[in-house]
Amino acid sequence: GQNIDQPTEMTATEGAIVQINCTYQTSGFNGLFWYQQHAGEAPTFLSYNVLDGLEEKGRFSSFLSRSKGYSYLLLKELQMKDSASYLCAVKGNQGGKLIFGQGTELSVKP
Amino acid sequence: NAGVTQTPKFRILKIGQSMTLQCTQDMNHNYMYWYRQDPGMGLKLIYYSVGAGITDKGEVPNGYNVSRSTTEDFPLRLELAAPSQTSVYFCASTSRTGAYEQYFGPGTRLTVT
Repeated sequence: GQNIDQPTEMTATEGAIVQINCTYQTSGFNGLFWYQQHAGEAPTFLSYNVLDGLEEKGRFSSFLSRSKGYSYLLLKELQMKDSASYLCAVKGNQGGKLIFGQGTELSVKP
Repeated sequence: NAGVTQTPKFRILKIGQSMTLQCTQDMNHNYMYWYRQDPGMGLKLIYYSVGAGITDKGEVPNGYNVSRSTTEDFPLRLELAAPSQTSVYFCASTSRTGAYEQYFGPGTRLTVT
């Protein structure tokens, strides 16, 4: 079966660091994506991991462990505009299809 | 480039009515996808296409149909609308090269009453 788990919601303080975890069990694996989705808007691409390790892009980093079926998204120096839903998605074997988790709603407080 | 465009932005349908959600991309992407997103949930794949003339079912295809006559366009058809089809619909596309990151359209908010 296909299963992707991430926490439903998280709260953090402006300026702090937050880590959003994602665990997956899928029949195929060709990479893991993180997307950001502000309320009422379309998802936008944040990061992609296909090999184990950490990928850093400015204030955002993403980590992957394929043997553990685990990834996390790390957001540093949180800003109010980072309040959004963060979607973890695994790319399967066929046609570039993505399987999405339910998303983690992050609220950044002053 | 306009990217991925979708029309309409909003629509209210009565039960049993039909409609077509339009999706167009100008990035010459081969792969295109239709998703639905229910409140507080992730995206569920309805149908996808790996090129003109080729379509395949995703996780939740029942009640929907698609066609792909050109590289640019990937319309989604609802034949007999039901309240369970009330959702936000996103179209996305990607290239066959690189990371395969998907680019999403702005979405269509559909209510069936």
